[in-house]
Amino acid sequence: QSVLTQPPSASGTPGQRVTISCSGSSSNIGSNTLSWYQQLPGTAPKLLIYNNNQRPSGVPDRFSGSKSGTSASLAISGLQSEDEADYYCAAWDDSLSGGVAFGGGTKLTVL
Amino acid sequence: EVQLVESGGGLVQPGGSLRLSCAASGFTFSNYWMHWVRQAPGKGLVWVSRMNGDGTTTNHADSVKGRFTISRDNAKNTLYLQMNSLRAEDTAVYYCARAPPSGYNWFDPWGQGTLVTVSS
Repeated sequence: QSVLTQPPSASGTPGQRVTISCSGSSSNIGSNTLSWYQQLPGTAPKLLIYNNNQRPSGVPDRFSGSKSGTSASLAISGLQSEDEADYYCAAWDDSLSGGVAFGGGTKLTVL
Repeated sequence: EVQLVESGGGLVQPGGSLRLSCAASGFTFSNYWMHWVRQAPGKGLVWVSRMNGDGTTTNHADSVKGRFTISRDNAKNTLYLQMNSLRAEDTAVYYCARAPPSGYNWFDPWGQGTLVTVSS
């Protein structure tokens, strides 16, 4: 069971806007920055969003991130077939054990 | 081009040991925190370990504490993960990933991963 909670699946049609949620607690999302990763089938994860809402160079502005309190979300607008992938959120956790907490991942299907 | 290339994975028996390597290029390796993240077959991402740029600070997940050790050789631009007392549940693709010098914990880039299979 993951420390950060994501829906296991999401879907949308081409051109649509979809959002993926990520819920945590005061020891992780509530007190540390959040990042999002895209993992295409059979490949390594790729950084999509860092510092809650910043996009690395090369990531289309169709991808956006937001955070409020102990929750966050990733929005994808103008959905494209190549966006079909697994998406993960992550944040440092200040609890006794420490470490980076990942969400369980959301499989996005483009219908 | 910033690049990370893992090696050292393979099949090992329960209780055995393995050392993974991650060769870095295209950036000043000694400036960056480095992490190991693993992914069991068909499962999600799980953080394993991290080390700061000069090797003076490390953290490990509870699940590997006392069994795995992260280290680095800045002269060789290489990160390591020594894995001892391996268990079936350690079976996974192991990725190394770079994190900012500031200590913030986001990962960019990731290596291609190396598969570790623990089985008799």
